[in-house]
Amino acid sequence: GDSVTQTEGLVTLTEGLPVMLNCTYQSTYSPFLFWYVQHLNEAPKLLLKSFTDNKRPEHQGFHATLHKSSSSFHLQKSSAQLSDSALYYCALSDGGTGSKLSFGKGAKLTVSP
Amino acid sequence: EAAVTQSPRNKVAVTGGKVTLSCNQTNNHNNMYWYRQDTGHGLRLIHYSYGAGSTEKGDIPDGYKASRPSQENFSLILELATPSQTSVYFCASGDARTGGSSAETLYFGSGTRLTVL
Repeated sequence: GDSVTQTEGLVTLTEGLPVMLNCTYQSTYSPFLFWYVQHLNEAPKLLLKSFTDNKRPEHQGFHATLHKSSSSFHLQKSSAQLSDSALYYCALSDGGTGSKLSFGKGAKLTVSP
Repeated sequence: EAAVTQSPRNKVAVTGGKVTLSCNQTNNHNNMYWYRQDTGHGLRLIHYSYGAGSTEKGDIPDGYKASRPSQENFSLILELATPSQTSVYFCASGDARTGGSSAETLYFGSGTRLTVL
């Protein structure tokens, strides 16, 4: 079945350094990929989602590129900010069977001064 | 902006008791979902619905029931609560126009923290 793998459980960075959170997936069809972000004591909310064409989605300095050849949708940002500290989920929607999202286990990002 | 409201925010229940978690959305979205969040497991889908009167099993439905009496309301029911169901539960609605859209955005409520003693 469909699955999403996030390899980093905990990521600690110093402010100003680049961010990269890994996401790889397995899917039978041509899926849509998403990144959701959850700040402490808040609800998860959408950060980015993949496009059907080759556009690279960007939001709040974060971007991600869907690479079908390597089944990846890594999240990147050039310079981490303290406010980026949060839990990040990669998620997949199988294009063949509807809208149910399969979430990865999440990566907790902590940015320190 | 999308509004999804969950109640209660916190709940303590006893083993074997019945628990009902409620969710209300004012976005007129067809799709609604219940997830539980556990460290090391991420968000896992329990039940979902494509409209009033319909419920579907998600990936981990055992021990849970769901009810969608109206477009706005979606409940999660634990008939016989167990300590393993201690978790944070999130309800979400989706903005797909039809029964399932692969690129829909989910709007989450603030969660219910359930503790089963």
